[in-house]
Amino acid sequence: EVQLVESGGGLVQPGGSLRLSCEASGFTFITYWMRWVRQAPGKGLEWVADIKQDGSAKNYVDSVRGRFTISRDNAKNSLFLQMNSLRAEDTAVYYCTRGGLYSFDFWGQGTLVTVSS
Amino acid sequence: QSALTQPPSASGSPGQSVTISCTGTSSDVGGYNFVSWYQQHPGKAPKLMIYDVSKRPSGVPDRFSGSKSGNTASLTVSGLQAEDEADYYCGSYGGSSHWVFGGGTKLTVL
Repeated sequence: EVQLVESGGGLVQPGGSLRLSCEASGFTFITYWMRWVRQAPGKGLEWVADIKQDGSAKNYVDSVRGRFTISRDNAKNSLFLQMNSLRAEDTAVYYCTRGGLYSFDFWGQGTLVTVSS
Repeated sequence: QSALTQPPSASGSPGQSVTISCTGTSSDVGGYNFVSWYQQHPGKAPKLMIYDVSKRPSGVPDRFSGSKSGNTASLTVSGLQAEDEADYYCGSYGGSSHWVFGGGTKLTVL
């Protein structure tokens, strides 16, 4: 059974940093792209970033490029999102997702990030 | 990139069919056969229901079907059941290694 378990969310002040983690199990992690998707309270879904199987390619939505960094540790079946210079508009539930060839085929339960003073 | 356009709400009675649209541009929906649909119940994570416009993952009932014409994709739910009441989001590959989602449609089973 595919499982994705996020952690690391919480309350942070504007300008602060947070590192999200996602522990994967039930599939061969190294063979999949991995992606982060976020959902602001009461709003729709927004793709944030993704990373190739070997970490050699990374892509970001324009609004987070230069502030967020996606990474992975294939030895530990783990995905990360380092978030710096956080803004109020980054407040959202962040989902770790497995990259189907051209879809998001499995989702974690999400971790809430709240940016507020 | 702009979000894809979905109607905010849709509804139908049990047993009926309902179709939800998702409109993009030639740079996303119209340019690739990589449209997917996600179901999200309140407080839960989204679940993949349709991928590559019209393919169903294992375990998704065949009451759910997808199609595309030009820049507009559609999700049809036939034989509506109470458990189909949820938010539905479309997603599409947007080129240049980017992805875009719709704003979501709240489906109500009357």
